[in-house]
Amino acid sequence: AQSVTQPDIHITVSEGASLELRCNYSYGATPYLFWYVQSPGQGLQLLLKYFSGDTLVQGIKGFEAEFKRSQSSFNLRKPSVHWSDAAEYFCAVGFNTGTASKLTFGTGTRLQVTL
Amino acid sequence: DTGVSQDPRHKITKRGQNVTFRCDPISEHNRLYWYRQTLGQGPEFLTYFQNEAQLEKSRLLSDRFSAERPKGSFSTLEIQRTEQGDSAMYLCASSRRGPYTGELFFGEGSRLTVL
Repeated sequence: AQSVTQPDIHITVSEGASLELRCNYSYGATPYLFWYVQSPGQGLQLLLKYFSGDTLVQGIKGFEAEFKRSQSSFNLRKPSVHWSDAAEYFCAVGFNTGTASKLTFGTGTRLQVTL
Repeated sequence: DTGVSQDPRHKITKRGQNVTFRCDPISEHNRLYWYRQTLGQGPEFLTYFQNEAQLEKSRLLSDRFSAERPKGSFSTLEIQRTEQGDSAMYLCASSRRGPYTGELFFGEGSRLTVL
């Protein structure tokens, strides 16, 4: 069965600093990979996704992620964090059953931004 | 898009009572999902509908749980004889018809507290 590991439960960065959130997955084939963000009082929102092709993918809000097959990783990065980026970030792996977009999520990383 | 709507946003109940949550997906989406999120965890898949057909159920969905989507539009998730372990955020998501995209659009969730 597929699984997702987010080793960092909580990360604090200063506004303007760079950010990297780690994600490792376990899956028998090349997975579909996603990063979602959950802000207080809001639903989960898709930041970016990787299906195939270029291993560096760009998302919304200035985020990017790089798929590294050799490391089974899909880390999320942002060059300069804004205070509004404080939220919980979830990495997820999915697979195409032909109809369903079923996702397996990691446990999340809570990002705190200091001014 | 008016977004995925969930009701109620918060429900407090006593152990043994029945509760029902409602989800209204984005109108043109034919796929609807229920997830459960407990404190410190990522969302866990419960069940999935395509139109009115319930195509998959997780082992997490015990026989006290039932989900319906009678006309292929809104869905309800009922929990009978609630237990304290049912306390969680229940998330609804929907996705578009057509080729697999992996993108789920989430509602803000219904938080259940069982006393």
